[in-house]
Amino acid sequence: EVQLVESGGGLVQPGGSLRLSCAASGFTFSSYWMSWVRQAPGKGLEWVANIKQDGSEKYYVDSVKGRFTISRDNAKNSLYLQMNSLRAEDTAVYYCARGGHYDILTGTDPFDYWGQGTLVTVSS
Amino acid sequence: AIQLTQSPSSLSASVGDRVTITCRASQGISSALAWYQQKPGKAPKLLIYDASSLESGVPSRFSGSGSGTDFTLTISSLQPEDFATYYCQQFNSYPLFGGGTKVEIK
Repeated sequence: EVQLVESGGGLVQPGGSLRLSCAASGFTFSSYWMSWVRQAPGKGLEWVANIKQDGSEKYYVDSVKGRFTISRDNAKNSLYLQMNSLRAEDTAVYYCARGGHYDILTGTDPFDYWGQGTLVTVSS
Repeated sequence: AIQLTQSPSSLSASVGDRVTITCRASQGISSALAWYQQKPGKAPKLLIYDASSLESGVPSRFSGSGSGTDFTLTISSLQPEDFATYYCQQFNSYPLFGGGTKVEIK
């Protein structure tokens, strides 16, 4: 059974940092693109970042570029999101999701499995 | 940048109704579109990918159609467990979600 379990959320002051983790199990983690998707309270879904199987390619939504860093450790079946210079507008539930990539040769790789999410609150 | 517009933003329907949700892309995205269902307090669930392919385990009352700029999610006979918010999502350049459609009980 595929499982994605996020951790690391919490309350942080504006300008602060937080590191989210996602522990994956039930599938060959190193074979999949992985993503972070967030949802502000009462709002819709927003893709945040994704990372290639070997970590050689990383992409970010414009609003987090230069502040957030996605990474992975395939030996530990884990995905990470380092969040620096946090702002109030980063307040959201952050989901770890498998997939989230399109390649013209291989086609779409939708978000087919999601974690339960971890809440990040940025407030003074 | 591509924009995805879902309509309606909300709708009221009864059990047994046929429900149609549309998603329009501001430029052509071929068939690179997915649909998700989200219930309150839960993670989204993949329903449809590549515009019309049903994800394994998803009931056949859900179907997707379209290509290019106009896409549709249809629920052929609404069931009590289908009351939720639905999102479309495209893959052109980067993953982008539509604004969502909340399906409520009439």
